[in-house]
Amino acid sequence: ETGVTQTPRHLVMGMTNKKSLKCEQHLGHNAMYWYKQSAKKPLELMFVYNFKEQTENNSVPSRFSPECPNSSHLFLHLHTLQPEDSALYLCASSQDHGEGPGELFFGEGSRLTVL
Amino acid sequence: LAKTTQPISMDSYEGQEVNITCSHNNIATNDYITWYQQFPSQGPRFIIQGYKTKVTNEVASLFIPADRKSSTLSLPRVSLSDTAVYYCLVESSNTGKLIFGQGTTLQVKP
Repeated sequence: ETGVTQTPRHLVMGMTNKKSLKCEQHLGHNAMYWYKQSAKKPLELMFVYNFKEQTENNSVPSRFSPECPNSSHLFLHLHTLQPEDSALYLCASSQDHGEGPGELFFGEGSRLTVL
Repeated sequence: LAKTTQPISMDSYEGQEVNITCSHNNIATNDYITWYQQFPSQGPRFIIQGYKTKVTNEVASLFIPADRKSSTLSLPRVSLSDTAVYYCLVESSNTGKLIFGQGTTLQVKP
């Protein structure tokens, strides 16, 4: 138990569906992250939020839309995805971002399959 | 951001000490070295972090030479449950940005 909870753990969706991934952290952290991990590839940083503000978007396609209503919750809204978007989506949090080296706390991930 | 290079895979046997070396030739003055462990279908888990010389915790030791261009993660007396992917990362203390590389897949055999 890392203090970061992701739901759902598994999701299967068609290319025309709209779904959302949810992440919640109970650690009192101020920064939250979305990473994507495809098979046989390293983790790719997608988005960074610090104090609810998006501070990084690593050229992620607009079919992925993040939302951070408060420092404890992070969503990833999915629409019109492609089969190559199938991957493990990992949420992480840290005390803050850009204030020195720190520790990332990851959730267990949401395994997404796009048909 | 400094790039890291580490072996793709390593094999070991239970009870042995395992040393995984990572090179980061263009590490900057303000960068820290961090190691994470990841089991299949789980998120990575922080193992250890250091800036120079040696750091030890209940799980591992981290050795960093004076030039800081490489680092070695040492896992004492590994068990089957240590089979995982180990990531070496260089983290800027200015930006806090963490970029994961390919990692080293450690296979511990009985």
